[in-house]
Amino acid sequence: DAKTTQPTSMDCAEGRAANLPCNHSTISGNEYVYWYRQIHSQGPQYIIHGLKNNETNEMASLIITEDRKSSTLILPHATLRDTAVYYCIVRHYAGNMLTFGGGTRFIVKP
Amino acid sequence: SQTIHQWPATLVQPVGSPLSLECTVEGTSNPNLYWYRQAAGRGLQLLFYSVGIGQISSEVPQNLSASRPQDRQFILSSKKLLLSDSGFYLCAWSVSRTGGEQYFGPGTRLTVT
Repeated sequence: DAKTTQPTSMDCAEGRAANLPCNHSTISGNEYVYWYRQIHSQGPQYIIHGLKNNETNEMASLIITEDRKSSTLILPHATLRDTAVYYCIVRHYAGNMLTFGGGTRFIVKP
Repeated sequence: SQTIHQWPATLVQPVGSPLSLECTVEGTSNPNLYWYRQAAGRGLQLLFYSVGIGQISSEVPQNLSASRPQDRQFILSSKKLLLSDSGFYLCAWSVSRTGGEQYFGPGTRLTVT
């Protein structure tokens, strides 16, 4: 699976939109982009995934660039409960596993 | 709806003692099952995964083992714990053959003293 690069840490003010970037320049055509988050002392939580089209669900939006070398997770209105470590993961469509990297420590400030 | 259970929530064990952590999933059949470990301040490390009863794949060689005696039961064991086995152990499941959307349990925090 391709490697991902994320900022070590980010923050934003409560109520503002948060844009969390991820670089995956070596992604191949049959690899998906997944986002998870882990709130302190809890297990990771699946957020969203995509292949090449932008995706939106009740939690977030995922924007994937046309060349698929990077993506952005958008939290439209960040709340204090969104404070967590966010992981961007690239996974082969037929794979059984996820490889978690260091993620981005994202803090929402009141 | 699907639910994943792990127990115990916390555990303190002396070095050299055995370990058994259990994970069960409700509301689905033939799931993929996973064991992860997260050492303090570190990322998640995949330890084992299983695509079916009795089928275990090990990702990291160590003194831990896993078993899947029933379709929705996954057990993590050790005969003799090491200090380095301390950490946060997480069980997860996914719909068979996809593996991407994984749903995690509440975890077991293990401290080896």
